[in-house]
Amino acid sequence: GESVGLHLPTLSVQEGDNSIINCAYSNSASDYFIWYKQESGKGPQFIIDIRSNMDKRQGQRVTVLLNKTVKHLSLQIAATQPGDSAVYFCASQGFQKLVFGTGTRLLVSP
Amino acid sequence: DGGITQSPKYLFRKEGQNVTLSCEQNLNHDAMYWYRQDPGQGLRLIYYSQIVNDFQKGDIAEGYSVSREKKESFPLTVTSAQKNPTAFYLCASKGQGNQPQHFGDGTRLSIL
Repeated sequence: GESVGLHLPTLSVQEGDNSIINCAYSNSASDYFIWYKQESGKGPQFIIDIRSNMDKRQGQRVTVLLNKTVKHLSLQIAATQPGDSAVYFCASQGFQKLVFGTGTRLLVSP
Repeated sequence: DGGITQSPKYLFRKEGQNVTLSCEQNLNHDAMYWYRQDPGQGLRLIYYSQIVNDFQKGDIAEGYSVSREKKESFPLTVTSAQKNPTAFYLCASKGQGNQPQHFGDGTRLSIL
């Protein structure tokens, strides 16, 4: 079946560094991808999305890169702040539903 | 404010008891979803509904039931047949086309 996997369960960075969270997906037919941020005890919060006709999309301090050749997705956070500490999930659009990865916990130290 | 409201935030279930988790949205979204999240894991799809009066099983539907009588409401019942119900339950809704799902803040269910 379809799967989405994240490369690292935990990523530790210093405040002010840039963070890169990676994700791989299996379904080459996926045409829509989303990154979510989940803080403890809360639901996932939408960060940024990208469609398969793009390879890069930028938001405020965040950039998503899509490499369809190797089925790889990454989220870059510029100037990481303590408030960015959370679990980050990528998701790919399957048939009528999203397929979620297992998440990467981002730890930001001062 | 527009959004998704899940209630209660915490719920306890006794052995042999059915419990119902509420999910209401005022985003005018057609599609709604229920997920289960276990500690340190991703989201697994329980049930989803693309339109009122219709719903489909997700990947882990056994021991759960849903209804979709109104567009804004998609309650989930955790039945006594679900032997391991302790988890964090998340409800989401989505507009038409390639749009992100929007999530509520979850209900944490525990067994007494």
